[in-house]
Amino acid sequence: QKEVEQNSGPLSVPEGAIASLNCTYSDRGSQSFFWYRQYSGKSPELIMSIYSNGDKEDGRFTAQLNKASQYVSLLIRDSQPSDSATYLCAFDVDYGQNFVFGPGTRLSVLP
Amino acid sequence: NAGVTQTPKFQVLKTGQSMTLQCAQDMNHNSMYWYRQDPGMGLRLIYYSASEGTTDKGEVPNGYNVSRLNKREFSLRLESAAPSQTSVYFCASIGTNYGYTFGSGTRLTVV
Repeated sequence: QKEVEQNSGPLSVPEGAIASLNCTYSDRGSQSFFWYRQYSGKSPELIMSIYSNGDKEDGRFTAQLNKASQYVSLLIRDSQPSDSATYLCAFDVDYGQNFVFGPGTRLSVLP
Repeated sequence: NAGVTQTPKFQVLKTGQSMTLQCAQDMNHNSMYWYRQDPGMGLRLIYYSASEGTTDKGEVPNGYNVSRLNKREFSLRLESAAPSQTSVYFCASIGTNYGYTFGSGTRLTVV
């Protein structure tokens, strides 16, 4: 059984702070990792993908991957109220044929 | 607009009724997926189709059937709906960035 665990929420941070979201996964063979953002009542949207160990930055978002520890994280700098959403991590199984999602962490950014 | 289109957006069924959820994508993607999302359980894969003419079971296929009608369309059928199938259903396809594009979802209630 492939599993993904995410830090339990909800996570509340003040506006302008750094939000840190964490995810651990069970499949050592996974090669692709993703972060999705899902606003309430909406569908998930892809915000970051990462395939190699280390950091990947895109605007205010930084994804960090450590395959040895089976750990991936998402940092959101200068958090804004518009970042309030549920964040889902996902990793590939079956050589990329499909993906397993974590349960999500709900983030609230307080003005 | 290009993307994944799902119909209907909302549906209420009585136990034992049948229905088909429709999904179409216009991005020329090979792989298409059906997920269900339940509170606290994240997204769970029902069925997927890696290419036209092929379908495979995911994590929770019982009670569902699928048809990959052509490259664009992938439908999900509930032959005899049960209250346990009350959920939000998402269709998705995979693009060149290797991340999913999701449809807007179908909120299904079985009473």
